[in-house]
Amino acid sequence: GAGVSQSPRYKVAKRGQDVALRCDPISGHVSLFWYQQALGQGPEFLTYFQNEAQLDKSGLPSDRFFAERPEGSVSTLKIQRTQQEDSAVYLCASSPRTWDRDDGYTFGSGTRLTVV
Amino acid sequence: AQSVSQHNHHVILSEAASLELGCNYSYGGTVNLFWYVQYPGQHLQLLLKYFSGDPLVKGIKGFEAEFIKSKFSFNLRKPSVQWSDTAEYFCAVKGYGQNFVFGPGTRLSVLP
Repeated sequence: GAGVSQSPRYKVAKRGQDVALRCDPISGHVSLFWYQQALGQGPEFLTYFQNEAQLDKSGLPSDRFFAERPEGSVSTLKIQRTQQEDSAVYLCASSPRTWDRDDGYTFGSGTRLTVV
Repeated sequence: AQSVSQHNHHVILSEAASLELGCNYSYGGTVNLFWYVQYPGQHLQLLLKYFSGDPLVKGIKGFEAEFIKSKFSFNLRKPSVQWSDTAEYFCAVKGYGQNFVFGPGTRLSVLP
């Protein structure tokens, strides 16, 4: 597709439920990033993939958060045992270059997760 | 660690007014600087970016930004705003080999 696609657009989860958020980056993009954007805040880095390799996961807030990109294209962010503080918009972004090359990303529209 | 601050949380202007949104950053090395815009219900879009050279950068939709190294600032400007500029604006910095660090955002409301 022409842009970064994320699904679902909205997800309501009961506290304690596991969720999986999907990101389809632009075809051929090497780099894929996940960001978390809490209400009224700027996006905060979660993790970075270069192709299938997860090179940085320093932003993942706890071991309940797990991300994968097994074939170097689609990525899934999984949150286990969701808690209310996980409520946020989860943004995916991709870039045709490796992250040491300075450039802007293409962002998806995000998945708004609400934990009740 | 890098950090980005944006001076205003919410700015309200009338159409045709001039706009300046402040952005300051802290980082010890060379950075590249960006402004992103998020229109209501839409994804983040790149407005403009600064890597090197002329510190006055022109972006899309009549926006420009000036990098002042001595002040660690990268303020966004537009001479005359339109109702369609209503959006959230994010300043971001990226050091070499680092990920993006975004500011908290400034919400701009333009009154028709």
